[in-house]
Amino acid sequence: GDSVTQMEGPVTLSEEAFLTINCTYTATGYPSLFWYVQYPGEGLQLLLKATKADDKGSNKGFEATYRKETTSFHLEKGSVQVSDSAVYFCALSPNTNAGKSTFGDGTTLTVKP
Amino acid sequence: DAMVIQNPRYQVTQFGKPVTLSCSQTLNHNVMYWYQQKSSQAPKLLFHYYDKDFNNEADTPDNFQSRRPNTSFCFLDIRSPGLGDAAMYLCATSRDTRSYEQYFGPGTRLTVT
Repeated sequence: GDSVTQMEGPVTLSEEAFLTINCTYTATGYPSLFWYVQYPGEGLQLLLKATKADDKGSNKGFEATYRKETTSFHLEKGSVQVSDSAVYFCALSPNTNAGKSTFGDGTTLTVKP
Repeated sequence: DAMVIQNPRYQVTQFGKPVTLSCSQTLNHNVMYWYQQKSSQAPKLLFHYYDKDFNNEADTPDNFQSRRPNTSFCFLDIRSPGLGDAAMYLCATSRDTRSYEQYFGPGTRLTVT
């Protein structure tokens, strides 16, 4: 079955540091890939997405590129802020009718001033 | 302009006392999902509706039921809550089950006393 593996957390960074959260996936076919963010006490919000190989999703300074050859979708941000502290989930959605989204275990990011 | 609304945000119930959580959407999406999430772990899919078609996950306990009376509303019924059912319950919607992102509500935090 489909699976998503995220780098283990938690991750603690100083403000303005560079962020990378690794995500690799296993799926048949060509799934769409997503990063969701969850702030304390809230639901998940879509951060960015990519629907085909080599697509780059970007939003709020975050970026991720769909790499089919390495089955990866790593999240990056050049300069994190305290307000980026949250839990980040990588997810995939298959392109078949029978599919359902598969989520990674989440990575907790804490940014210190 | 809230798109997925969950009520209540916090619910306290007694052990064994039935409880109902509600979700409504203004997106007119075909698919509505219910997830259980514990301690910022990956959301665990309980079931989903594609329009009126109900799809239960194989490992969802019989204690959990759902109703979708119309496109906009979906309910989660827990018939006899146990202490292990204390969690955040997330409702989400999607245009379709394949390749599309999900839109999450803010969640209902359920406490069982």
